[in-house]
Amino acid sequence: NAGVMQNPRHLVRRRGQEARLRCSPMKGHSHVYWYRQLPEEGLKFMVYLQKENIIDESGMPKERFSAEFPKEGPSILRIQQVVRGDSAAYFCASSPPRDTLSGNTIYFGEGSWLTVV
Amino acid sequence: GDSVTQMEGPVTLSEEAFLTINCTYTATGYPSLFWYVQYPGEGLQLLLKATKADDKGSNKGFEATYRKETTSFHLEKGSVQVSDSAVYFCALNRDDKIIFGKGTRLHILP
Repeated sequence: NAGVMQNPRHLVRRRGQEARLRCSPMKGHSHVYWYRQLPEEGLKFMVYLQKENIIDESGMPKERFSAEFPKEGPSILRIQQVVRGDSAAYFCASSPPRDTLSGNTIYFGEGSWLTVV
Repeated sequence: GDSVTQMEGPVTLSEEAFLTINCTYTATGYPSLFWYVQYPGEGLQLLLKATKADDKGSNKGFEATYRKETTSFHLEKGSVQVSDSAVYFCALNRDDKIIFGKGTRLHILP
C-alpha cells in the first residue's frame, strides 16, 4: 500500500509564475489536507478536501491560492503569481473515512519544496 | 480556539540520556492527540497517538500518556540514540483538522 505521494519534490519558480503541486492520497483514503511549513516554523493548516468538495479552507490565503480534489486524479494545490514569501514546504496528508478504525489519523506525504527566485 | 503548546528547542542531549518533550493542549471536548517526527528533508511520520484519556501511545521506545486533568501529552524516551535527532511535533485532531505545535528540534550527541 503506497503512502501519500507528492510531486514534484522540489520546484523552482520565478516571481509571477504559477506553481502546481500534486498529491495522490493513500489507497482507500477519501480526505486530503494541505499544510504549509515555512522555514524553521511549524505546520500551518491550509485546506481540507474530500472528493469534489472543499470542506474547510480557513487556512488558505484569500488570493492566488486554490485547491481541488477532483473525482478522478490527484489533489492539486495551485499558487498563481508566486512571490518570494510563498517559498516553503507544502505537505499533503490523507486520512480514511471517519467511520473506520483509523478514521482520525492522518498520514503525510514527503512534501513539495517550493523555491521562488 | 484549539491550540497546542510544546517546549521550545533546540533540546540537546547525550546519547542514552532520558528525554522529555512537554506538550499541553487547549481544546473543548476530547480530541485525539498525536506525536509526529520529521527527519531532515523529509515529511512527517506518525510516531504515536492516543485517542482518549489515560491512553498511552508508544512506538520505537517513545511513550506519551493522554492526561485529561493536566491537558498534557508529554513525549518520553528512556534512552535516546543519535538517530532520534529530528523535529518532533505534538498535535491534536479537532473536526478532521490536525492542529500542530511549533515543533521541538532534538539534537543527540554521540
